[in-house]
Amino acid sequence: KNEVEQSPQNLTAQEGEFITINCSYSVGISALHWLQQHPGGGIVSLFMLSSGKKKHGRLIATINIQEKHSSLHITASHPRDSAVYICAVKTSGSRLTFGEGTQLTVNP
Amino acid sequence: DTAVSQTPKYLVTQMGNDKSIKCEQNLGHDTMYWYKQDSKKFLKIMFSYNNKELIINETVPNRFSPKSPDKAHLNLHINSLELGDSAVYFCASSHLAGGPSTDTQYFGPGTRLTVL
Repeated sequence: KNEVEQSPQNLTAQEGEFITINCSYSVGISALHWLQQHPGGGIVSLFMLSSGKKKHGRLIATINIQEKHSSLHITASHPRDSAVYICAVKTSGSRLTFGEGTQLTVNP
Repeated sequence: DTAVSQTPKYLVTQMGNDKSIKCEQNLGHDTMYWYKQDSKKFLKIMFSYNNKELIINETVPNRFSPKSPDKAHLNLHINSLELGDSAVYFCASSHLAGGPSTDTQYFGPGTRLTVL
């Protein structure tokens, strides 16, 4: 069993819908990252958080340390949000352990 | 003004060959990483260097050898390439290794390695 589990694995939405991607982890962490991998393969860091909530534009990330759970929300989704969203946790040292990713497709 | 660059972007080679992938960052970071993304898109750390010293070395075959000539560069050399080495390899960098600061990692564009 992977130390970082994401759900759902695949998600299809209509433009404008509110989207939630979930991440649960089973190890102690110092931080959690949400990454976006574009269809072309490039990886961009969206958020890094260790507590509470962060917001950037239409993206919101929350983390509950006690429950070992984080969510990434996208409001007013758009086809350009179509990508793979990856949750990664920072454990000992600099090591990042990744979830398997959530493939999001937003249809116009 | 690319932050983390990798060369080459694509590498196609025969089994048994030796190849290198180069990574450079101009962010002034002191920690660099190599990750492997398999065909199922699962990312896994391979190595991490802090100020030219190896700090993370996952269970990776000895055929893979990272080399850090200075803290802005972390190259990956692979000997005797095998079919299973086909993957996308990502380089990344960050500022502090394991300290109280949990700095963001910046990723390179990836190198798609295909072993025939």
